[in-house]
Parts: sequence; C-alpha cells; structure tokens
Amino acid sequence: QVQLVQSGAEVKKPGSSVKVSCKASGGTFSNYAISWVRQAPGQGLEWMGGIIPMYGTINYAQKFQGGVTITTDESTSTAYMELSSLRSEDTAVYYCARAPGGTYGYYYYGMDVWGQGTTVTVSS
Amino acid sequence: DIQMTQSPSSLSASIGDRVTITCRASQSISTYLNWFQQKPGKAPKLLIYGASRLQSGVPSRFSGSGSGTDFTLTISSLLPEDFATYYCQQSYASPPGLTFGGGTKVEIK
Repeated sequence: QVQLVQSGAEVKKPGSSVKVSCKASGGTFSNYAISWVRQAPGQGLEWMGGIIPMYGTINYAQKFQGGVTITTDESTSTAYMELSSLRSEDTAVYYCARAPGGTYGYYYYGMDVWGQGTTVTVSS
Repeated sequence: DIQMTQSPSSLSASIGDRVTITCRASQSISTYLNWFQQKPGKAPKLLIYGASRLQSGVPSRFSGSGSGTDFTLTISSLLPEDFATYYCQQSYASPPGLTFGGGTKVEIK
C-alpha cells in the first residue's frame, strides 16, 4: 500500500522560500500525477499545480505561476514543492496527492492517496 | 478558470438522514467531477470520481450523480462518522487546472 510521507513543519520569515518534500513509501510515481494542494487555516482546498513524472509535464494554477516550482526525483520517488517570496497569506497546510493515469487522463480518476500534510507558518 | 460553486455551505442533519450536496460548474465539465470528504486535522479522502464512480473501499451509502454543469453527492443514511466537510473538484480544464468548490460542512443537528 503506497503512502505519501511529507517533510516536517516549517516556520519561515516573509520573503524567504520553503521546499516541502513528498516521498512515496512502498511504491513509485510511475503512471501517476503528483499534485500539491494547500489549505489556509479555516479555509478550503486550493490546487497549486501538478507534475506527471513519466512525461515530465508540469502544470501550475494561474495564481501560482512564477511563485511555485514542482519537481520530482524519480530515483528516490520523491516530489518537491518550492514556494518563494513567502507572505503571511502563504501560512497553510500543504498536501501532496497522487492521481492515477488512465483512459481519460491523469486527473479524471481523482487524487486517491494523500500525504499527511506539512504546516508552513510564515511569520516575522 | 472553471469556477465550482457548492451549496449549501453548511447543513445540520441527524443520524439516519438522507443528505444531498450540490455542486455547479461555471461551464460544462462532462463527468470530470470528484468528491472528497475531509475531517478536522486530516487529509481529504476521495469518495467519488468521474461524477458517479465509487472509489474503492468507500461505503455504498455515498453516491454521486450529474454531468455537464450540475452534480450531487448523496449520503443515503447519515452515520456518526460522516460528519465532516465535503468538497467537489473539477478536472476538466486543459491544460490541467483543477479547482475545488468552497466546501459543505455537515454538522450534527
């Protein structure tokens, strides 16, 4: 049973960057898309972007274009999300999630395995 | 961007009630619609994909329907463990630009 294990909580200063990792335990990323979703305190879910390691395809939500970088290291089955120029509004729980590929593409079948979440706090 | 609007934003229900949550897309998304359940402090859990397909391991009291712009999630008989927040999410946009609805919190009456 594949699990996604994320790195620990971070406290960052405004203007700095944070890099969160997501490691597939018990499996690989083959034929999956890996998405990053964040949730600000008391708020809903927000998709930031996703990567399909098999094809090297990366897509970002328009809001995060230029501010987020998503990468993977297939040798360690680890995905990364780096968020730069942090502001207090970036304080949130950040989740990675896996979406299997299939006949209708990579996101039709839903994000079926999620990481435990990483809390990022931006404060001076 | 495709906007997803859920209603209601919250509801109160009793054990055994039938609960229906609606989700409307700002444009047609065929059946590219997923439903998630989230409990406090936990990651979301996939319930339904493709508008009506039950994810493996999810109880059959959960069902989804709809296509185009209007979708529903139904819980046929509410159990204590179903009190949570539910989100719809579209995956139709190409290139991929997934968007979530604002959520529906199901509370105990």
